Amino acid sequence: DIVLTQAPLSVSVTPGESASISCRSSKSLLSSKGITSLYWYLQRPGKSPQLLIYQMSNLASGVPDRFSSSGSETDFTLKISKVETEDVGVYYCGHRLEYPLTFGSGTKLEIK
Amino acid sequence: EVQLQQSGAELGKPGTSVKLSCKVSGYNIRSTYMHWVNQRPGKGLEWIGRIDPANGNTIYAEKFKSKATLTADTSSNTAYMQLSQLKSDDTAIYFCAMDNNYGFAYWGQGTLVTVSS
Repeated sequence: DIVLTQAPLSVSVTPGESASISCRSSKSLLSSKGITSLYWYLQRPGKSPQLLIYQMSNLASGVPDRFSSSGSETDFTLKISKVETEDVGVYYCGHRLEYPLTFGSGTKLEIK
Repeated sequence: EVQLQQSGAELGKPGTSVKLSCKVSGYNIRSTYMHWVNQRPGKGLEWIGRIDPANGNTIYAEKFKSKATLTADTSSNTAYMQLSQLKSDDTAIYFCAMDNNYGFAYWGQGTLVTVSS
């Protein structure tokens, strides 16, 4: 199974500042079709997860462009610029390269 | 607008089964895969498996092969998951999610399953 390792476990950010979350994969997530199968989700407190980023760097519908993502085949970074209070929650990376699908263990973002 | 409406909270006794539902509106489930994900109390997301409603084909994570059974009824546009031989560590929130080929773009609101005698 592909293991996704996130860091840090938690991050505390002042509103208006930036935050970065890392996700490292145990295997290349580059598919035979040239797509990097890395996804980012945000789970706000008490809510269902929502898709933020698909195929490593594409913003999902309705997601503000304060969110961005980049990476290589195995190392990825989610960046949140100008953090707002609504960004509080747990961020998960996930892949859909092969079965079983797996998720990272999550990074909790808190506001200072 | 695509919506996934899950059934209500369940309280199950150890050794029994529960069947959860996920009714989709705004999209024909024949055209997608339906996935199930769980979240134990205070823990992260864990993929359980997926079903192709068009033909009933299923794929499960290894640890759920004898625990979960996924089915779908295309006439009612609803996906189901049965959890059998319930144990205390099956206590979790169970989410259904729809894969639009660009990730899990749509999620249900979650169903809390509590296993207790």
